[in-house]
Amino acid sequence: AQSVTQLDSQVPVFEEAPVELRCNYSSSVSVYLFWYVQYPNQGLQLLLKYLSGSTLVKGINGFEAEFNKSQTSFHLRKPSVHISDTAEYFCAVILLSGGSYIPTFGRGTSLIVHP
Amino acid sequence: KAGVTQTPRYLIKTRGQQVTLSCSPISGHRSVSWYQQTPGQGLQFLFEYFSETQRNKGNFPGRFSGRQFSNSRSEMNVSTLELGDSALYLCASKEGGGAEQYFGPGTRLTVT
Repeated sequence: AQSVTQLDSQVPVFEEAPVELRCNYSSSVSVYLFWYVQYPNQGLQLLLKYLSGSTLVKGINGFEAEFNKSQTSFHLRKPSVHISDTAEYFCAVILLSGGSYIPTFGRGTSLIVHP
Repeated sequence: KAGVTQTPRYLIKTRGQQVTLSCSPISGHRSVSWYQQTPGQGLQFLFEYFSETQRNKGNFPGRFSGRQFSNSRSEMNVSTLELGDSALYLCASKEGGGAEQYFGPGTRLTVT
């Protein structure tokens, strides 16, 4: 069975500082990896995804992530955060099941950006 | 295109009652999935419907059920509500075979 571990439940950071949100996964088969963001009282929005090819993936709002197969990691990074980046971030492993792709989510990391 | 819509956005029910939540997918999307989000358990997959058939099911009791209509709109029903069913219920839609899905804003259910 697959699982996703987000190592930090909360990450406080000052505005304009860099940030890394960590995600490790376990799976016996090849997977797709996604990062989602959830703002208060909203649903999830896709930030970026790794399907195949280049291990460095760029997403929206200046975020990027690197797929590392040997370390089974997919850490999310941003070189300079804004107050508006304050939100909950979810890493997800996507597996093929019953003819469809079903995600398993990590527990989430709350990014808190201070002025 | 309009996004995924969910109604109602907020709901308060009493233990033992039942509830029906509604989800309208993005136009052209034939797959609708439901998720439960709680502080304790995080985001958990409930089930997925595609072309009016349940294609995948998560590990939830039979009190949780769903259906999909010919226009791809979906409903989720929870019978005999328990306090632990209090959660944000998220609906997501996608085109049939893809991995990327689009989420609605959710329905916040409170069971008292």
